[in-house]
Amino acid sequence: NAGVTQTPKFRVLKTGQSMTLLCAQDMNHEYMYWYRQDPGMGLRLIHYSVGEGTTAKGEVPDGYNVSRLKKQNFLLGLESAAPSQTSVYFCASSLKQIMNTEAFFGQGTRLTVV
Amino acid sequence: KNQVEQSPQSLIILEGKNCTLQCNYTVSPFSNLRWYKQDTGRGPVSLTIMTFSENTKSNGRYTATLDADTKQSSLHITASQLSDSASYICVVSANRDDKIIFGKGTRLHILP
Repeated sequence: NAGVTQTPKFRVLKTGQSMTLLCAQDMNHEYMYWYRQDPGMGLRLIHYSVGEGTTAKGEVPDGYNVSRLKKQNFLLGLESAAPSQTSVYFCASSLKQIMNTEAFFGQGTRLTVV
Repeated sequence: KNQVEQSPQSLIILEGKNCTLQCNYTVSPFSNLRWYKQDTGRGPVSLTIMTFSENTKSNGRYTATLDADTKQSSLHITASQLSDSASYICVVSANRDDKIIFGKGTRLHILP
């Protein structure tokens, strides 16, 4: 059982480049989330999805877009990367609303924008 | 403002010793409190989750306590092992808006 899988694990981008981070879960979870983790800060919610075909903004959505075309996948896109987006990105999924249930996290994607 | 504060920021102890990590929160209305363990280069993994009515919960050598009146929680690690070296994150859920608030974590180092 793979759980939550993120690809890629590491990436270096030049300012202005675009990329997509992929999150896949095999637990048939309805809810999926993208967080970023920066030094000295708690995880912050970027975007989330409450089911296939739905997305919503989190705490820090600017500069990111997401899509949930399939229930098992949640994509995070950076259209024009900026150095401020250098961070570790975590995807998570949960069966029900995250405030009431266990959340499972991927292993993270370390992104550096130069 | 909903906040989760953890202390200490970092902690170094010898293998075999016990330690206690603290978490204070101002999240309202309170739904539940979780402790996560995050190994270096990995995602957080859940250790315990406690609701308002629970004041202690154990997971092996990890014991979490919750005082909902004072809005404080602690994570006690007994007989520490080298594999306990990690960040421990306190997470509090508000009972609305599907929000969970992450603390900044305590970085624990276990020395042999």
